[in-house]
Amino acid sequence: NAGVTQTPKFQVLKTGQSMTLQCAQDMNHNSMYWYRQDPGMGLRLIYYSASEGTTDKGEVPNGYNVSRLNKREFSLRLESAAPSQTSVYFCASSVASGLDQPQHFGDGTRLSIL
Amino acid sequence: AQRVTQPEKLLSVFKGAPVELKCNYSYSGSPELFWYVQYSRQRLQLLLRHISRESIKGFTADLNKGETSFHLKKPFAQEEDSAMYYCALKGYSSASKIIFGSGTRLSIRP
Repeated sequence: NAGVTQTPKFQVLKTGQSMTLQCAQDMNHNSMYWYRQDPGMGLRLIYYSASEGTTDKGEVPNGYNVSRLNKREFSLRLESAAPSQTSVYFCASSVASGLDQPQHFGDGTRLSIL
Repeated sequence: AQRVTQPEKLLSVFKGAPVELKCNYSYSGSPELFWYVQYSRQRLQLLLRHISRESIKGFTADLNKGETSFHLKKPFAQEEDSAMYYCALKGYSSASKIIFGSGTRLSIRP
C-alpha cells in the first residue's frame, strides 16, 4: 500500500498562474485534509473533507479551492497563485468520518510562487 | 483561543541522556493532545495521543491540566530518535480543528 500519495513533489509557478495539487489515499479512509507548512510555523489546515462528497474550510482557506472527487482523491487548486502561497503542502487522511486528527500524511509538495 | 507552543526550536542531547520535549497549550476546555514525528526523509506520522496513555518507541507524554502542558519524555535517548517533533491539540467538539505547534528538532549526539 502506498498510503497517501501527493503529486507533484515540487513546482515553481509565476504569480497569477493556476495549478492543482493531487492527493490520493488507498487505505479506504473517510476523512482527508490539506495543510500548509511555513518556516517557523506549525501545519495549518487549509481545507478538509470529512467524508466523500463534503468539503469544509479550515484555518487558512483563502486563495484555495478543493474537490473531493471520490473517496480516494482530494485535490487542492490554486486559481491565481500569489507569492504568499509559497509553502510546503501536505495531504493527510484519517479513517474516521468527521474532523479527526490526521493519521497518515503524504510526502508533501514544495511549491514556490515567483 | 486554541494555541500550542513548543518553546524550543532545537534540542540537542547526548545518546543515553534523558529527553524532554516541551509542549504547552492554551484551550478553554478539555483538549485532546497528540505528538507527531517526522524522521529524516520520512513522512510525518502520529507518534502518540494522550488518551491512549501509551508508550511508543520508549516515549511517553502525560497531560498536565494544571500546567497546561503535554511534554514528551524518554529516559534514554537513542540516535534514531533524531527527528522533528510536533505537538498538536484538538478540542473534544466534533467540529474542533486540530492545531499544531511549530515543532522542535531533536538531535541526538553520539
